Amino acid sequence: DSGVTQTPKHLITATGQRVTLRCSPRSGDLSVYWYQQSLDQGLQFLIQYYNGEERAKGNILERFSAQQFPDLHSELNLSSLELGDSALYFCASSLLAEADTQYFGPGTRLTVL
Amino acid sequence: GNSVTQMEGPVTLSEEAFLTINCTYTATGYPSLFWYVQYPGEGLQLLLKATKADDKGSNKGFEATYRKETTSFHLEKGSVQVSDSAVYFCALSKTGNQFYFGTGTSLTVIP
Repeated sequence: DSGVTQTPKHLITATGQRVTLRCSPRSGDLSVYWYQQSLDQGLQFLIQYYNGEERAKGNILERFSAQQFPDLHSELNLSSLELGDSALYFCASSLLAEADTQYFGPGTRLTVL
Repeated sequence: GNSVTQMEGPVTLSEEAFLTINCTYTATGYPSLFWYVQYPGEGLQLLLKATKADDKGSNKGFEATYRKETTSFHLEKGSVQVSDSAVYFCALSKTGNQFYFGTGTSLTVIP
């Protein structure tokens, strides 16, 4: 158990809908990262937040957004969902803004029908 | 740009066989290199890491050496067990906040 929690575990929704994925980092970690894992693209870095502020941006679509709250939990919002958004979404956390070790949560499996 | 290429799977081995999973990287400067493991239904776990050239990372019988001259970080284990069955990801980070992962290599160890 990494100490990173993600909810929900599974999510099934329809095209055009909007969903919110939630992540709680390990106790004491200030940095949260979001990744998308799909069969055709592998594991892609989406975005990082550190202590409430956006720190780094990867291959995140404009339809997706994220935020980190004062209690350090983070939410990833996915809107106007398309079939291709079906994937595993992982959250990871680390103590520092630039850390060489990340701790991954168990992931949220999103299925868009 | 930065990228990681790892050997395609799936890899199937008998118990106690020798394992090598190849990983090469492209990056400027001196990235840190990692191997992560993902067991079925779980998130990724850090297996080992190396932060500079010629460093050897090791954990649970797995080893990988940071080879700058060949831009490689191959994962090895002398004798695999059924419990090693998982997906293995090679990754690099230059800044400590942007990680680039390979596509993963699935390993199945049969008794």
